[in-house]
Amino acid sequence: DVKVTQSSRYLVKRTGEKVFLECVQDMDHENMFWYRQDPGLGLRLIYFSYDVKMKEKGDIPEGYSVSREKKERFSLILESASTNQTSMYLCASSSLGGRGLFFGSGTQLSVL
Amino acid sequence: QKEVEQNSGPLSVPEGAIASLNCTYSDRGSQSFFWYRQYSGKSPELIMSIYSNGDKEDGRFTAQLNKASQYVSLLIRDSQPSDSATYLCAVSGLEAGYSTLTFGKGTMLLVSP
Repeated sequence: DVKVTQSSRYLVKRTGEKVFLECVQDMDHENMFWYRQDPGLGLRLIYFSYDVKMKEKGDIPEGYSVSREKKERFSLILESASTNQTSMYLCASSSLGGRGLFFGSGTQLSVL
Repeated sequence: QKEVEQNSGPLSVPEGAIASLNCTYSDRGSQSFFWYRQYSGKSPELIMSIYSNGDKEDGRFTAQLNKASQYVSLLIRDSQPSDSATYLCAVSGLEAGYSTLTFGKGTMLLVSP
């Protein structure tokens, strides 16, 4: 089975802090994605990567950056956390050609 | 902007009935279509994929695709209370050799015993 592991299930941070969310997949997938999910707004794509050291902006990249130094690991960085970044963050991966995404269990981030 | 539309629900059906979930999409170039199930507080789980017009069956689930009408549906036969969840429709195009998914906001399904 595909396993996508997110480092934290719940996270509480202060406004202005730099926040790192880590994601690791064990299926040698080329593509990795970061989404956020908010009630009433659904899933929104923040960033994705289709290769090591490559990154592409999604629909809502403002306030975020990413890093992909190794194929299996994709990190989401909140440069200066703000309260409007309180959300459920979901990491996902897919193989080349993208026959469906496989999601991690999610990180519920609260910024106070 | 690619759009995927779903009725937010809730769709309420009695146990044993057929639940019908619908989705429309805006991008005529879309090539792959997926249904995800998401239980409350959990992450989405892929349950069906469909790539060509017609029906695709997997157990109690049937996905239906009509590209001319830009419409995809999911039928759940013999609905069970454990099917109560939010169902997300997702649509993919192929851009520059890789694909991204656009998700609908989901339809909540409630199956009553």
